[in-house]
Amino acid sequence: GAVVSQHPSRVICKSGTSVKIECRSLDFQATTMFWYRQFPKQSLMLMATSNEGSKATYEQGVEKDKFLINHASLTLSTLTVTSAHPEDSSFYICSAGGPPGNTIYFGEGSWLTVV
Amino acid sequence: AQSVTQPDIHITVSEGASLELRCNYSYGATPYLFWYVQSPGQGLQLLLKYFSGDTLVQGIKGFEAEFKRSQSSFNLRKPSVHWSDAAEYFCAVGYTGTASKLTFGTGTRLQVTL
Repeated sequence: GAVVSQHPSRVICKSGTSVKIECRSLDFQATTMFWYRQFPKQSLMLMATSNEGSKATYEQGVEKDKFLINHASLTLSTLTVTSAHPEDSSFYICSAGGPPGNTIYFGEGSWLTVV
Repeated sequence: AQSVTQPDIHITVSEGASLELRCNYSYGATPYLFWYVQSPGQGLQLLLKYFSGDTLVQGIKGFEAEFKRSQSSFNLRKPSVHWSDAAEYFCAVGYTGTASKLTFGTGTRLQVTL
């Protein structure tokens, strides 16, 4: 079936640096992907909608200059956390709609730790 | 705005017992409804979904859910729980026609005792 893959699964970076997380749809094309953030023991909060070939749509309260989203192809969206701070440490997870019947698939998630 | 409520934060059941996880939604149109399971430190796995048609949907791992429009509910059930079912369960709702953007409930943590 359809699969969404994220890389890296875990990343540690120094405060002030940038880190990129990739989200790929492996066997289907996704014109739209979604990025969520999940704090420990909490639910998933939508950060932004990634649109292939156009600008991402950010949810209220999400800093677009800090969380850069690029959807360069129909199978790849990237989330770049710029000038990372310890409070950005979180679990980031992406999703995409694919067959059958526009089922929503999630990636495995990426743990970001900023030290 | 759409919203999802999972009233039970934590549920403990004995292995072999039946399970029902509650989910209520608020949405003005016909919802797309999902149940996902998340093991610690892992991504989300789709258990089942409801888009239309038969209101009782069957999913993987022996789970089923019933859509009740009159009660705005989409409760998840399993007749006999296995220890491996211990995890976090999320109910989610999406827009009709653009089902990819989801609003999640706060989750229910299931603990299974042997």
